[in-house]
Amino acid sequence: GAGVSQTPSNKVTEKGKYVELRCDPISGHTALYWYRQSLGQGPEFLIYFQGTGAADDSGLPNDRFFAVRPEGSVSTLKIQRTERGDSAVYLCASSLLQVNTEAFFGQGTRLTVV
Amino acid sequence: DQQVKQNSPSLSVQEGRISILNCDYTNSMFDYFLWYKKYPAEGPTFLISISSIKDKNEDGRFTVFLNKSAKHLSLHIVPSQPGDSAVYFCAASGGFTNSGGSNYKLTFGKGTLLTVNP
Repeated sequence: GAGVSQTPSNKVTEKGKYVELRCDPISGHTALYWYRQSLGQGPEFLIYFQGTGAADDSGLPNDRFFAVRPEGSVSTLKIQRTERGDSAVYLCASSLLQVNTEAFFGQGTRLTVV
Repeated sequence: DQQVKQNSPSLSVQEGRISILNCDYTNSMFDYFLWYKKYPAEGPTFLISISSIKDKNEDGRFTVFLNKSAKHLSLHIVPSQPGDSAVYFCAASGGFTNSGGSNYKLTFGKGTLLTVNP
C-alpha cells in the first residue's frame, strides 16, 4: 500500500491478556517507530528500529512491552499481561531517512483493556 | 518535564482569517521542528518542517516561524479554511540521547484543537 498500515484498527482485550499489534511500513522505509498516544496527550516515543534491529527501546514503559521487526519491514508490538493503563492509541510511523526527517504515521490501533 | 509545550488547548478562528498556533520548547539541543495535523480516528499527517538554520519556511497557506533565542515556533495558516479544523501537534527532534533528545526520535506537544468556523 501507499501508506503505513496498522492492524487491527481497534482491539478490546481483558486485563491480563496478551496482545499483538501489527505495523506495515511504507515500502523502502528502513526506519520504523512506535509511539503511544494517551487521551489528551501528544504521541510519546516507544521504540525505534533501523532495519531489523531495535536501535532505541528507551521509551518502552516496562518489560511487558516488546517489539520485533524480523525481516526489516513489518513490525509487531507485543504487550504481555495487559493492564487498564495500557489503554491508548498505538501509532506506528516510518521514514526513509533516520535523521531529521518527517515520519509518516499509520492510522493507529486503539487498544482498550477492560 | 515537558520539553515541547503547546499552551493553548484550543483555538477558534473565522474562515478566511489567519490561524496562529504556538509552540515552545525547552531542550536547546532540538534542531528540527515539525507540525503535524490530526483528524479524529486518523494518524498524524505531516504538514511542514523547519531546520534550526532557518527562521521561516513556507508551503502554500502554511508558514512556520522559528525563534531560536526564544525557543519558540509558530504555525501560521492563511487563509484558514473549515477543512483545516483538526488537532495540530508541534514536534521536535535533534541532539543526543544523553541530553534527552535524538536526531530520530520526535518529542511532541499535547496539541492544539483548531476550529475554523464557516
